[in-house]
Amino acid sequence: GDSVTQMEGPVTLSEEAFLTINCTYTATGYPSLFWYVQYPGEGLQLLLKATKADDKGSNKGFEATYRKETTSFHLEKGSVQVSDSAVYFCALIPNNNNDMRFGAGTRLTVKP
Amino acid sequence: KAGVTQTPRYLIKTRGQQVTLSCSPISGHRSVSWYQQTPGQGLQFLFEYFSETQRNKGNFPGRFSGRQFSNSRSEMNVSTLELGDSALYLCASSRDRAEETQYFGPGTRLLVL
Repeated sequence: GDSVTQMEGPVTLSEEAFLTINCTYTATGYPSLFWYVQYPGEGLQLLLKATKADDKGSNKGFEATYRKETTSFHLEKGSVQVSDSAVYFCALIPNNNNDMRFGAGTRLTVKP
Repeated sequence: KAGVTQTPRYLIKTRGQQVTLSCSPISGHRSVSWYQQTPGQGLQFLFEYFSETQRNKGNFPGRFSGRQFSNSRSEMNVSTLELGDSALYLCASSRDRAEETQYFGPGTRLLVL
């Protein structure tokens, strides 16, 4: 079935470093792709999304491009801040239902 | 616009008991989905309700059930609780079905002793 694989964490970076969290997917058809972020003790917040090939989602300095040829949706940020420390989830919704599939999550810690 | 709300936020139960969790979606959203989050299994889809009908169900035993009311509010019920049911239960709402962005509530943290 449709699924998402994201890079294992944890990831530890210094403030202002460049961030990449890899995400690849397996799907039939054309799923919508998402990145969610979860801060300690909270639910998931939508970070960005893309609904078709070559779309770029962006928000708060984070970006991800829907690459159908490589079935990827890697998350990037040019300069991370301490406040970006959280768990990041890559997810997809298949194109025929509302059953969101999540990756395992990647814990990011940014040190000052 | 108010976000997705879930009650209660924290709950402690003992094995064998049952529990009901509540979710109020964003106003105007008709689809409500439920997820279970555990350290071992990650985020797993439980079920989705749309217009008071269950449209999709994940791979969970029949002890897990839910319903949706005419105002789109949803409840999920877990009967005969087991230790392994301890988890964060997340509710998400979306305006409609299929490929719609889901907005998540803060979750209900259930501890089964």
